Amino acid sequence: KAGVTQTPRYLIKTRGQQVTLSCSPISGHRSVSWYQQTPGQGLQFLFEYFSETQRNKGNFPGRFSGRQFSNSRSEMNVSTLELGDSALYLCASSLRLEGAETQYFGPGTRLLVL
Amino acid sequence: KNQVEQSPQSLIILEGKNCTLQCNYTVSPFSNLRWYKQDTGRGPVSLTIMTFSENTKSNGRYTATLDADTKQSSLHITASQLSDSASYICVVSGRAGGSYIPTFGRGTSLIVHP
Repeated sequence: KAGVTQTPRYLIKTRGQQVTLSCSPISGHRSVSWYQQTPGQGLQFLFEYFSETQRNKGNFPGRFSGRQFSNSRSEMNVSTLELGDSALYLCASSLRLEGAETQYFGPGTRLLVL
Repeated sequence: KNQVEQSPQSLIILEGKNCTLQCNYTVSPFSNLRWYKQDTGRGPVSLTIMTFSENTKSNGRYTATLDADTKQSSLHITASQLSDSASYICVVSGRAGGSYIPTFGRGTSLIVHP
C-alpha cells in the first residue's frame, strides 16, 4: 500500500506570494492533518480534515487555510507569505478521526520564503 | 496553557546500551500520548500510542510508560542500534469537545555511536 505523498517536495517563494501544498493520504484513510515544523518552534498543529470538513484547528493566522476533497486528498494554502513561514510542512493521514488512531506522515514539503 | 517538555534535549550513547527519554506534560483534559521517531529529513513515524487507562506499551525494543497522575511518560530503548539515531518526539492530545488538539514536545535528539 502506498504511503502518504506530498507535492511538491521543495518550494521557493518570495514574500507576499501565496503557495498551495498537496497531500494524498493512504488509500482508505479519511482523516488528514497538517503540521508546520521549524527549528525554532518544533512541530505545531495546523488543522485536521475529515470527510471534507475541518474538524480541528491550531493557533495559526487566517493566512493558513486548507481543504479536503471527496477522495480525501487535501490541499493547504498559505497567502501573503512571510519569511517566518519558511518551514517543513508535514501532512499525516489516519483511518478515522478518533483520538488514538495511528497517524502516518508524509515526507513533507520544504518551503523557503525569500 | 498546554505544554509538553522533553528531557534530555540531546543524548549520546554507545551502540548496545539502553536509554530512557522523559516527557512531562500539562495538557488537560488528557486524551492520548504518542511517541514518534523522526529521522533527519523525513516525516515522523509512530512508535506508541497510549490512552489514559494504559500505563505501558511496547513496540519491539521501544517501551513507553505513562503515569497519568504525575503527567509523566518515558520512552525506554533497549539494546540501542545505530539506526536508533534520530529525534524522538512526545505528543500529547487534549480533548476539547469532540476535537483532539495535539501539543508537541521539542524532541530529544539521540545519537548512537558504534
